[in-house]
Amino acid sequence: DTAVSQTPKYLVTQMGNDKSIKCEQNLGHDTMYWYKQDSKKFLKIMFSYNNKELIINETVPNRFSPKSPDKAHLNLHINSLELGDSAVYFCASSDLAGGLNEQFFGPGTRLTVL
Amino acid sequence: GIQVEQSPPDLILQEGANSTLRCNFSDSVNNLQWFHQNPWGQLINLFYIPSGTKQNGRLSATTVATERYSLLYISSSQTTDSGVYFCAVGNYGQNFVFGPGTRLSALP
Repeated sequence: DTAVSQTPKYLVTQMGNDKSIKCEQNLGHDTMYWYKQDSKKFLKIMFSYNNKELIINETVPNRFSPKSPDKAHLNLHINSLELGDSAVYFCASSDLAGGLNEQFFGPGTRLTVL
Repeated sequence: GIQVEQSPPDLILQEGANSTLRCNFSDSVNNLQWFHQNPWGQLINLFYIPSGTKQNGRLSATTVATERYSLLYISSSQTTDSGVYFCAVGNYGQNFVFGPGTRLSALP
């Protein structure tokens, strides 16, 4: 009965590779997010999708592309991985249509680029 | 954009002690949440508290929206309280901004 789930939990890969992280929520929320947490624990939003449409796109490299096949899923695809992409990536969701901004977070995906 | 500050940056508590964590933000918001990131990296929702006071067991929080701050109270701390406490704020449909966190070490 996990609310927000992410796969994989850990991802170790070589520089230059392409990888994807998947996120699913079963809360019936209409908005999903991706956040990046760097080595100093600082959390920053990357993308926000509302009903499969992009509503926030912070300044992230074009190598990062979110894809939302339906409102319960928001996947993150990363091309040409670089050392600086190593971080923990969190997915989250909220019910904006319901007037609630409370965000619920997934367990995180720790990405290590070698 | 909205700026968020948290204090103190680091905190060491003996088991059983009480403490108050503070979050200041630079603009009016309609969403404020407190999170606990445990030593395993999980982000746990503590409170959704854009205004007012809430209590949950040994934890309580108060947000004074007009003065742009929120407080998180931890009473009778336990070792399981260790981790990083984040305050995050935002407005409907806009960025949700996290503070830098307060790192708590609760000692036995």
